Amino acid sequence: GIQVEQSPPDLILQEGANSTLRCNFSDSVNNLQWFHQNPWGQLINLFYIPSGTKQNGRLSATTVATERYSLLYISSSQTTDSGVYFCAAPSGTYKYIFGTGTRLKVLA
Amino acid sequence: DTGVSQDPRHKITKRGQNVTFRCDPISEHNRLYWYRQTLGQGPEFLTYFQNEAQLEKSRLLSDRFSAERPKGSFSTLEIQRTEQGDSAMYLCASKRGEETQYFGPGTRLLVL
Repeated sequence: GIQVEQSPPDLILQEGANSTLRCNFSDSVNNLQWFHQNPWGQLINLFYIPSGTKQNGRLSATTVATERYSLLYISSSQTTDSGVYFCAAPSGTYKYIFGTGTRLKVLA
Repeated sequence: DTGVSQDPRHKITKRGQNVTFRCDPISEHNRLYWYRQTLGQGPEFLTYFQNEAQLEKSRLLSDRFSAERPKGSFSTLEIQRTEQGDSAMYLCASKRGEETQYFGPGTRLLVL
Protein backbone atom coordinates (compact mmCIF):
# COMPACT_ATOMS: atom_id res chain seq x y z
CA GLY A 1 0.00 0.00 0.00
CA ILE A 2 0.88 3.66 -0.19
CA GLN A 3 3.46 5.11 2.19
CA VAL A 4 2.95 8.65 3.54
CA GLU A 5 5.85 10.49 5.13
CA GLN A 6 5.85 13.92 6.71
CA SER A 7 8.65 16.29 7.55
CA PRO A 8 9.85 17.76 9.74
CA PRO A 9 8.58 15.61 12.63
CA ASP A 10 8.84 18.52 15.06
CA LEU A 11 8.91 22.27 14.59
CA ILE A 12 9.20 25.12 17.07
CA LEU A 13 8.48 28.64 15.86
CA GLN A 14 8.35 32.09 17.33
CA GLU A 15 4.98 33.77 16.90
CA GLY A 16 4.86 35.60 13.58
CA ALA A 17 7.24 33.27 11.76
CA ASN A 18 6.41 31.39 8.56
CA SER A 19 6.79 27.64 8.02
CA THR A 20 6.48 24.94 5.39
CA LEU A 21 5.39 21.39 6.16
CA ARG A 22 5.94 18.62 3.66
CA CYS A 23 4.05 15.42 2.84
CA ASN A 24 5.53 12.82 0.49
CA PHE A 25 3.53 9.89 -0.80
CA SER A 26 4.85 6.81 -2.53
CA ASP A 27 2.16 6.33 -5.16
CA SER A 28 -0.05 8.47 -7.36
CA VAL A 29 -3.19 9.68 -5.64
CA ASN A 30 -6.44 11.30 -6.71
CA ASN A 31 -6.84 13.29 -3.52
CA LEU A 32 -4.81 14.52 -0.58
CA GLN A 33 -6.08 15.95 2.68
CA TRP A 34 -4.46 18.10 5.36
CA PHE A 35 -5.70 18.12 8.96
CA HIS A 36 -4.80 19.96 12.16
CA GLN A 37 -5.16 18.10 15.45
CA ASN A 38 -5.51 20.59 18.27
CA PRO A 39 -4.20 19.98 21.79
CA TRP A 40 -7.60 18.55 22.79
CA GLY A 41 -7.38 15.87 20.12
CA GLN A 42 -9.94 17.22 17.66
CA LEU A 43 -8.99 16.73 14.02
CA ILE A 44 -9.94 19.72 11.89
CA ASN A 45 -9.83 19.49 8.14
CA LEU A 46 -7.76 22.19 6.51
CA PHE A 47 -7.58 21.32 2.82
CA TYR A 48 -8.84 18.78 0.34
CA ILE A 49 -6.30 19.28 -2.41
CA PRO A 50 -5.76 16.62 -5.10
CA SER A 51 -3.62 19.03 -7.12
CA GLY A 52 -2.81 22.69 -7.49
CA THR A 53 -2.86 25.36 -4.82
CA LYS A 54 -5.52 26.48 -2.35
CA GLN A 55 -5.48 29.26 0.21
CA ASN A 56 -7.49 29.82 3.36
CA GLY A 57 -6.43 32.86 5.33
CA ARG A 58 -2.89 32.44 6.62
CA LEU A 59 -2.75 28.85 5.41
CA SER A 60 -2.18 27.59 1.92
CA ALA A 61 -1.44 24.21 0.40
CA THR A 62 0.06 22.98 -2.82
CA THR A 63 -0.04 19.45 -4.19
CA VAL A 64 2.19 18.38 -7.06
CA ALA A 65 0.63 15.02 -7.83
CA THR A 66 3.10 14.12 -10.59
CA GLU A 67 5.99 14.48 -8.14
CA ARG A 68 4.09 12.89 -5.26
CA TYR A 69 4.29 15.59 -2.65
CA SER A 70 2.19 18.24 -0.98
CA LEU A 71 3.22 21.31 1.00
CA LEU A 72 1.36 23.19 3.72
CA TYR A 73 2.39 26.79 4.28
CA ILE A 74 1.65 28.62 7.52
CA SER A 75 2.31 32.34 7.47
CA SER A 76 2.46 34.72 10.43
CA SER A 77 2.07 31.82 12.85
CA GLN A 78 0.02 32.24 16.01
CA THR A 79 0.05 30.25 19.25
CA THR A 80 -3.31 28.77 18.27
CA ASP A 81 -1.59 27.10 15.30
CA SER A 82 0.14 24.75 17.75
CA GLY A 83 -0.76 21.08 17.48
CA VAL A 84 -0.10 18.25 15.07
CA TYR A 85 -0.54 18.53 11.32
CA PHE A 86 -1.40 15.39 9.37
CA CYS A 87 -1.70 14.66 5.70
CA ALA A 88 -3.76 11.71 4.48
CA ALA A 89 -3.86 9.95 1.13
CA PRO A 90 -6.13 7.22 -0.20
CA SER A 91 -4.86 3.65 -0.41
CA GLY A 92 -6.99 1.45 -2.60
CA THR A 93 -10.65 2.20 -3.11
CA TYR A 94 -11.79 3.20 0.38
CA LYS A 95 -8.93 3.29 2.87
CA TYR A 96 -6.95 6.38 3.91
CA ILE A 97 -3.38 6.37 5.18
CA PHE A 98 -2.22 9.14 7.49
CA GLY A 99 1.34 10.31 7.89
CA THR A 100 2.99 10.37 11.32
CA GLY A 101 2.46 14.10 11.54
CA THR A 102 4.42 17.29 12.16
CA ARG A 103 4.24 18.52 15.75
CA LEU A 104 4.21 22.31 15.75
CA LYS A 105 4.71 24.52 18.76
CA VAL A 106 4.39 28.27 18.35
CA LEU A 107 5.92 30.31 21.14
CA ALA A 108 4.50 33.69 22.22
CA ASP B 1 -24.88 20.83 10.20
CA THR B 2 -24.21 19.76 13.78
CA GLY B 3 -20.94 17.96 13.07
CA VAL B 4 -19.91 14.41 13.84
CA SER B 5 -20.63 13.34 17.41
CA GLN B 6 -19.24 10.42 19.38
CA ASP B 7 -20.33 8.87 22.65
CA PRO B 8 -18.91 8.35 25.18
CA ARG B 9 -16.00 10.79 25.09
CA HIS B 10 -14.06 8.76 27.66
CA LYS B 11 -14.28 5.14 28.75
CA ILE B 12 -12.32 3.31 31.43
CA THR B 13 -12.81 -0.42 31.56
CA LYS B 14 -11.18 -3.49 33.02
CA ARG B 15 -9.39 -6.01 30.87
CA GLY B 16 -11.80 -8.64 29.55
CA GLN B 17 -14.86 -6.40 29.51
CA ASN B 18 -16.79 -5.50 26.36
CA VAL B 19 -17.21 -1.88 25.28
CA THR B 20 -19.35 -0.21 22.63
CA PHE B 21 -18.86 3.21 21.08
CA ARG B 22 -21.35 5.19 19.05
CA CYS B 23 -20.81 7.60 16.17
CA ASP B 24 -23.43 9.92 14.69
CA PRO B 25 -22.21 11.30 11.36
CA ILE B 26 -23.26 14.51 9.66
CA SER B 27 -26.80 13.79 8.48
CA GLU B 28 -26.34 13.86 4.71
CA HIS B 29 -23.03 11.97 4.74
CA ASN B 30 -23.30 8.45 3.35
CA ARG B 31 -19.67 7.45 4.03
CA LEU B 32 -18.38 6.65 7.50
CA TYR B 33 -14.93 5.67 8.78
CA TRP B 34 -13.56 4.39 12.05
CA TYR B 35 -9.93 4.99 12.98
CA ARG B 36 -7.76 4.25 15.99
CA GLN B 37 -5.03 6.61 17.18
CA THR B 38 -2.34 5.84 19.73
CA LEU B 39 -0.03 8.37 21.33
CA GLY B 40 2.39 9.96 18.90
CA GLN B 41 0.91 8.30 15.84
CA GLY B 42 -1.44 9.28 13.06
CA PRO B 43 -4.94 7.83 12.84
CA GLU B 44 -4.97 4.22 11.67
CA PHE B 45 -7.82 3.04 9.44
CA LEU B 46 -10.11 0.40 10.97
CA THR B 47 -13.19 0.14 8.77
CA TYR B 48 -15.36 1.91 6.18
CA PHE B 49 -19.11 2.02 5.56
CA GLN B 50 -20.95 3.29 2.52
CA ASN B 51 -24.55 3.66 3.65
CA GLU B 52 -25.19 0.48 5.68
CA ALA B 53 -22.65 -1.69 3.83
CA GLN B 54 -19.27 -2.35 5.45
CA LEU B 55 -17.04 -2.30 2.38
CA GLU B 56 -13.58 -2.48 3.90
CA LYS B 57 -12.08 -3.70 7.15
CA SER B 58 -8.44 -3.44 8.17
CA ARG B 59 -6.50 -6.68 8.42
CA LEU B 60 -5.17 -5.30 11.70
CA LEU B 61 -8.66 -5.57 13.17
CA SER B 62 -8.95 -8.73 15.19
CA ASP B 63 -12.12 -10.79 15.51
CA ARG B 64 -12.77 -9.03 18.84
CA PHE B 65 -13.71 -5.88 16.93
CA SER B 66 -17.02 -5.47 15.15
CA ALA B 67 -18.74 -2.47 13.63
CA GLU B 68 -22.25 -1.88 12.37
CA ARG B 69 -24.22 0.83 10.66
CA PRO B 70 -27.67 -0.73 10.61
CA LYS B 71 -29.73 1.95 8.88
CA GLY B 72 -26.99 3.86 7.16
CA SER B 73 -27.07 6.56 9.81
CA PHE B 74 -25.29 6.11 13.16
CA SER B 75 -22.60 3.47 13.63
CA THR B 76 -21.36 1.42 16.56
CA LEU B 77 -17.94 -0.07 17.21
CA GLU B 78 -17.76 -2.92 19.73
CA ILE B 79 -14.64 -4.36 21.26
CA GLN B 80 -15.07 -7.69 23.02
CA ARG B 81 -12.76 -9.02 25.72
CA THR B 82 -10.74 -5.81 25.85
CA GLU B 83 -6.97 -5.96 26.24
CA GLN B 84 -4.57 -3.31 27.51
CA GLY B 85 -3.29 -2.89 23.96
CA ASP B 86 -6.74 -1.65 22.92
CA SER B 87 -6.18 1.56 24.90
CA ALA B 88 -6.31 4.34 22.32
CA MET B 89 -8.41 7.15 20.90
CA TYR B 90 -11.17 5.83 18.62
CA LEU B 91 -12.13 8.33 15.95
CA CYS B 92 -15.11 8.43 13.63
CA ALA B 93 -15.25 10.45 10.43
CA SER B 94 -17.90 10.98 7.78
CA LYS B 95 -18.08 12.47 4.33
CA ARG B 96 -20.29 12.88 1.31
CA GLY B 97 -19.00 11.59 -1.97
CA GLU B 98 -15.41 12.52 -2.74
CA GLU B 99 -15.26 15.47 -0.35
CA THR B 100 -13.01 15.69 2.68
CA GLN B 101 -13.66 13.72 5.85
CA TYR B 102 -15.05 15.43 8.95
CA PHE B 103 -13.95 13.97 12.26
CA GLY B 104 -15.76 13.61 15.54
CA PRO B 105 -14.12 14.44 18.89
CA GLY B 106 -13.15 10.81 19.51
CA THR B 107 -13.66 8.32 22.33
CA ARG B 108 -10.65 7.85 24.56
CA LEU B 109 -10.46 4.27 25.85
CA LEU B 110 -8.33 3.16 28.77
CA VAL B 111 -8.18 -0.54 29.56
CA LEU B 112 -6.86 -1.33 33.04
